[in-house]
Amino acid sequence: QKEVEQNSGPLSVPEGAIASLNCTYSDRGSQSFFWYRQYSGKSPELIMFIYSNGDKEDGRFTAQLNKASQYVSLLIRDSQPSDSATYLCAVKRVRANNLFFGTGTRLTVIP
Amino acid sequence: DGGITQSPKYLFRKEGQNVTLSCEQNLNHDAMYWYRQDPGQGLRLIYYSQIVNDFQKGDIAEGYSVSREKKESFPLTVTSAQKNPTAFYLCASKDGSGANVLTFGAGSRLTVL
Repeated sequence: QKEVEQNSGPLSVPEGAIASLNCTYSDRGSQSFFWYRQYSGKSPELIMFIYSNGDKEDGRFTAQLNKASQYVSLLIRDSQPSDSATYLCAVKRVRANNLFFGTGTRLTVIP
Repeated sequence: DGGITQSPKYLFRKEGQNVTLSCEQNLNHDAMYWYRQDPGQGLRLIYYSQIVNDFQKGDIAEGYSVSREKKESFPLTVTSAQKNPTAFYLCASKDGSGANVLTFGAGSRLTVL
């Protein structure tokens, strides 16, 4: 079982719609969860992180964490073509010094 | 501006040659990391360093070596022992605030001819 699993996509949504990206993780003791955006040929950039169960909002982005279900998601409201990228989910386990990354979900926002 | 500088951006290597990828940061971060990214496989950890003169192997350290002689610098050498070195290499650093946020450099793309 992989540490972090994501649907590779591609996920296509029309401009203005809500894009929903999902991630599950295997270690129940994981403590921090991160969403990174990566444009083709570029390095990952942090969108947001979440530690506690529930929702965390930042502009058009909302991260949702459910530790009981070992599930974290990212919602992008009012999706724009510039949101087209690969979204990486990353998890920090307790007593680990690094992040474990999923393989990413490729999102395409259609104008 | 604070950040992480990786060089070169593109590198071509003949089989059997060692190459060194540079990573320099001016963020005053203690921890530094090297990841490798292949298509469809996400980021995999090669080596990391929590402090100067100390480093640990990650999940795929075979065929790679690192050094951490200065806080700002964490170079990665891809040796001839690495069977499949063609990949996108990402250097990252993390501050000590407890937020565990990684900041990435722009990456180095290595192609073995």
